[in-house]
Amino acid sequence: DVKVTQSSRYLVKRTGEKVFLECVQDMDHENMFWYRQDPGLGLRLIYFSYDVKMKEKGDIPEGYSVSREKKERFSLILESASTNQTSMYLCASSLLTGLKSPLHFGNGTRLTVT
Amino acid sequence: DAKTTQPPSMDCAEGRAANLPCNHSTISGNEYVYWYRQIHSQGPQYIIHGLKNNETNEMASLIITEDRKSSTLILPHATLRDTAVYYCIALNTNAGKSTFGDGTTLTVKP
Repeated sequence: DVKVTQSSRYLVKRTGEKVFLECVQDMDHENMFWYRQDPGLGLRLIYFSYDVKMKEKGDIPEGYSVSREKKERFSLILESASTNQTSMYLCASSLLTGLKSPLHFGNGTRLTVT
Repeated sequence: DAKTTQPPSMDCAEGRAANLPCNHSTISGNEYVYWYRQIHSQGPQYIIHGLKNNETNEMASLIITEDRKSSTLILPHATLRDTAVYYCIALNTNAGKSTFGDGTTLTVKP
């Protein structure tokens, strides 16, 4: 089974702090994704990466950056955390780009910014 | 990607089949229908996907109507652990650009 591991389940940070969310997958998947999930808004794609050192903006990239230095690891960075970034953050991976490659999700990091 | 419509909630008795409907009346010929579920405090879990033929795997069956405007996810013998939010998604692009709406909250009752 594919395992996608997010480093923290719960995180509390202060406004203005730089925050790193880490995600590791163990199945040599090409693609990795970061989403945030908020009540009433569903899952929204922040950034994704289809190869090492490659990244593309999703639907809501503002206030975030990402890093993919190794194939198995995809990091989400909040440069200066704000209270409106309080959310559940979900990392996912998929084997291939395209329609026949479903997403495999981690269990999420619930971030609170105070 | 086509918009999908699902009922907000459903109940099902334990041991009975759970049939979750999804409407995707604007789906185009090259769009796949995907189903995921999300159990409380976990990430979404992939269940099944299909294009136009019915599909079955160890978790569920997917029935897609001939005109492809709707589909039904069937959990043949629902258990309490199947209580979750179920999402139906229609995609014609990278699966990573999935748009998850509010889904259907399925409650399996003893």
